[in-house]
Order: sequence, then C-alpha cells, then structure tokens
Amino acid sequence: EADIYQTPRYLVIGTGKKITLECSQTMGHDKMYWYQQDPGMELHLIHYSYGVNSTEKGDLSSESTVSRIRTEHFPLTLESARPSHTSQYLCASSEIGTVYGYTFGSGTRLTVV
Amino acid sequence: DAKTTQPPSMDCAEGRAANLPCNHSTISGNEYVYWYRQIHSQGPQYIIHGLKNNETNEMASLIITEDRKSSTLILPHATLRDTAVYYCIVRVENDMRFGAGTRLTVKP
Repeated sequence: EADIYQTPRYLVIGTGKKITLECSQTMGHDKMYWYQQDPGMELHLIHYSYGVNSTEKGDLSSESTVSRIRTEHFPLTLESARPSHTSQYLCASSEIGTVYGYTFGSGTRLTVV
Repeated sequence: DAKTTQPPSMDCAEGRAANLPCNHSTISGNEYVYWYRQIHSQGPQYIIHGLKNNETNEMASLIITEDRKSSTLILPHATLRDTAVYYCIVRVENDMRFGAGTRLTVKP
C-alpha cells in the first residue's frame, strides 16, 4: 500500500486559476521530488528537496513553485495555470543515500482548459 | 547526457521469461543500477537494484556483468500484468533521471 499520497488524482481547471497539488508521505523521508510526465513521454524532474526549508529546481524548467515547511509535506503550486501546464505530476520520496530507491505517489493528472 | 541505453520496445510470450537489457558503460564504481516499471500512467514502481552482485527478489532477478557496463532484468514467468515501461537507472549522485525505458508487451 502507498505511503505517499497525492491529491487530487484528477483536476480540470480553467486558465489563469491558481492551483496547489498536494503530496504527503508518512515514511519520514528527507528527500522529496516532483516529476512531470506527458502521456507516453519520459519523466522529467522539475523540483526536489533534501529536507525542511530546502528546495531546488530540477532539469526541466517549470513555472511551478514548491515549498517544504514540514518533512512530510511537499506541495506544488501554479500561480496562474495555462494549457501548456496540462500534464501528469508525480511526487516521490526517498531516504538520503544512493542505496535507497524512490517511492512514488499515484500522480495528479492536470488538465487546464 | 544519457547514463543508460535500453531498447525502446520488446515483446514476450505469457509464461516465458522476459529478459530486458540495459547498457551503462559509463557507470562509476559507487553507482547503483535501479530498475523501475510504470504500468499505464501510474507512478513508477520499484523492482530491484544492485551494485555489482546479482540480485533476486520476489519480482525479478538482476544480472550485472562483471565489468558493470551492462545489466539484465529478468522476469522469470511473465504475465499479462507485467506489460509496462521498464526503466533502467544509474543513480547519479542523489537524484534519479528516468530515460525513455523499454516498453514490454506480454502477449497471450
């Protein structure tokens, strides 16, 4: 069973709206990540965090922002949604150290109309 | 710059072993090889990982060549539910980069 939760699972929203995608994990992992994936395409790392008050941008430039105020919570925010933001957003977490794998959430499929 | 190379697609008959290859010729001595799979559009699922020794768990076996430049993921008895995209990843520092993976189709 998943120990990392993403809400909502699906979201359809109008252009210009502000949205926050939620990601929470109960494993006490220090590291958390956001990936963006278009249908049938590769996953691209857009944000990551190594712990509370730590946030970094990933490989793919994104207009979204993230925050890490609590260890278990890593929300992603789009201040003004556009159709180009339509995609699937996947959250993951892991322990620190290369010997540990990632645990992924089920994803949020965002459609901006 | 790609750390791994995988064939874009493979087919396998149901009940047979599926052998998925991965080349990682630039792997460093302390970098692990990880395998994940993604079924439809769900979040990727961890399968197995290894450093230099062969590994086996309830899902699969991982065979790493002695020079560590390539590896093979083996699903011993593939089922239709194993149809997915399989990603071979070399852990770079502390973050994982996913390539295009191999789309495995298990056929009845």
